[in-house]
Amino acid sequence: DTEVTQTPKHLVMGMTNKKSLKCEQHMGHRAMYWYKQKAKKPPELMFVYSYEKLSINESVPSRFSPECPNSSLLNLHLHALQPEDSALYLCASSRRGTSGSTYEQYFGPGTRLTVT
Amino acid sequence: AQSVTQPDIHITVSEGASLELRCNYSYGATPYLFWYVQSPGQGLQLLLKYFSGDTLVQGIKGFEAEFKRSQSSFNLRKPSVHWSDAAEYFCAVMGGNEKLTFGTGTRLTIIP
Repeated sequence: DTEVTQTPKHLVMGMTNKKSLKCEQHMGHRAMYWYKQKAKKPPELMFVYSYEKLSINESVPSRFSPECPNSSLLNLHLHALQPEDSALYLCASSRRGTSGSTYEQYFGPGTRLTVT
Repeated sequence: AQSVTQPDIHITVSEGASLELRCNYSYGATPYLFWYVQSPGQGLQLLLKYFSGDTLVQGIKGFEAEFKRSQSSFNLRKPSVHWSDAAEYFCAVMGGNEKLTFGTGTRLTIIP
């Protein structure tokens, strides 16, 4: 089973709202990722968690706050977003080798976020 | 830093015809290479991957890709396309920094 689940599927929020995106996998993967994808563009990496610790932050604005409460769950907390943050937010996960080597990433279906 | 070029923005093929999508990468060492497919409004599905070994790799849905180091290419092929293959296709490369870098994508349209 290579399933990554994401909730909600769609989210509409105002610029003063606080909301969270959730991602879950039960494949035993120890690396999890958040990507942002604008229309007709490739995904862009936002954050990487490795063994539940933040290992890469691609200079993402602080209005996006990631959290990895355990090895199966990844959250993205949203606060004071701008209309230009409207996009498809994708979560992915991958195995980690014993030497830290990385494998292929499996993606969830995404959350379509609209900021009004 | 690694990069990927997909020279074709949009390709149209007839159902039953063969398909080749082009991908060129830039990376100093042996890269990890991937092809993903994305249907509208959906997530990305992994079609196939190359890490090492045999340069011709088989994937799901009848797709295959060939790694050619001399040409820095990793082209995707399918001998006979089906209407359900219409989608956006992304080539991606991963270097030593564990970051997955995507090409700009190729949109595939299938005509009956």
